[in-house]
Amino acid sequence: AQSVTQLGSHVSVSEGALVLLRCNYSSSVPPYLFWYVQYPNQGLQLLLKYTSAATLVKGINGFEAEFKKSETSFHLTKPSAHMSDAAEYFCAVSLMDSSYKLIFGSGTRLLVRP
Amino acid sequence: GAVVSQHPSRVICKSGTSVKIECRSLDFQATTMFWYRQFPKKSLMLMATSNEGSKATYEQGVEKDKFLINHASLTLSTLTVTSAHPEDSSFYICSASALASYNEQFFGPGTRLTVL
Repeated sequence: AQSVTQLGSHVSVSEGALVLLRCNYSSSVPPYLFWYVQYPNQGLQLLLKYTSAATLVKGINGFEAEFKKSETSFHLTKPSAHMSDAAEYFCAVSLMDSSYKLIFGSGTRLLVRP
Repeated sequence: GAVVSQHPSRVICKSGTSVKIECRSLDFQATTMFWYRQFPKKSLMLMATSNEGSKATYEQGVEKDKFLINHASLTLSTLTVTSAHPEDSSFYICSASALASYNEQFFGPGTRLTVL
């Protein structure tokens, strides 16, 4: 069965510093993986997705993630944090069946200090 | 592209009344729509999956008679919270996916339900 673990419910960085949000997955088949961002009282916006093509995936707002099969990881990074990056981030894995369900991690709140 | 809307964005109702939330895919045909519930500072909990023209599939522990889901067309799904109670207060989010979208779901902006 697929599952997702996000290490760290809160991550705090200074503006301009590297952002690293961790996501590890468990899947018996090659997964599709996603990172979503949620701003307060809003829905989820897709940052990037991995669908078995390039292992380094570039997304919006300067974010990228690297799929590492050997580590079962899909960590999200951004070289330089901006105040507007403060939000909740969710990693998700897609069930590789006809249900199209997504399994979400517990989320990581990113705080950006001025 | 791939825009999903929800209406209303906020609703306050009295205990015992029913509330309907609409989810629309504006620029694509959604073969599957999903309804989630999100508690404060928590992740999304999938409530049900609906395919156009068929009955919704509910997740374990979700009362199907309490949360009625209708997916009458490829662009519209509705969630009706029947006989709402304060414990039903939550943030409800829908999403939609199409066959060709690599299992990607496109999310609506959410509906904040407050039951007094």
